Amino acid sequence: GAGVSQSPRYKVAKRGQDVALRCDPISGHVSLFWYQQALGQGPEFLTYFQNEAQLDKSGLPSDRFFAERPEGSVSTLKIQRTQQEDSAVYLCASSLGQGGWGLRTEAFFGQGTRLTVV
Amino acid sequence: DQQVKQNSPSLSVQEGRISILNCDYTNSMFDYFLWYKKYPAEGPTFLISISSIKDKNEDGRFTVFLNKSAKHLSLHIVPSQPGDSAVYFCAAIMTGGSEKLVFGKGTKLTVNP
Repeated sequence: GAGVSQSPRYKVAKRGQDVALRCDPISGHVSLFWYQQALGQGPEFLTYFQNEAQLDKSGLPSDRFFAERPEGSVSTLKIQRTQQEDSAVYLCASSLGQGGWGLRTEAFFGQGTRLTVV
Repeated sequence: DQQVKQNSPSLSVQEGRISILNCDYTNSMFDYFLWYKKYPAEGPTFLISISSIKDKNEDGRFTVFLNKSAKHLSLHIVPSQPGDSAVYFCAAIMTGGSEKLVFGKGTKLTVNP
């Protein structure tokens, strides 16, 4: 596709439910990032993949959060036993090369998935 | 502890005037800074960046200034246009290390016709 695609765009989950958020990066992009943006805040780093390798998961807030990118393309962020504080927009970004924050190649964000836990 | 701070949640300017968005950072290890623009219901889009070895970078109507000693950067938009109305995020990174981009909370710019 033309850009980073995230699905679903909106998700309402009951507290305690498990959810899976999908990110389709731009084809051929090596690096993939997940960010969490709470209301009124800036995006906060969750995790980073280079191809299928998860090189940094230091931002995942608890062991209820799990991310994977098994074939180095599509990535899934899974949240188990959702809590109200998990309500946020989850943003995915991808870049062609390693890293990509304007240094080597630009990173592109998807539109995000808005998760509401009720 | 917020390492990147945007102390003005909102800014309103008249069309044609200059918009100045400010950003402060606390981590002296940051050496590359970026500005992102975000419209409602869209992901952030890259706008302009600056390396710590420079004090100014210009791209059309957008100029970013960096004052390393003050740990302060600013984004100038001249002239401002109604289409510039969006949330602007300042972000910082330590190159050569983690790929973790650290964002500020954002400033909502409104440009009035």
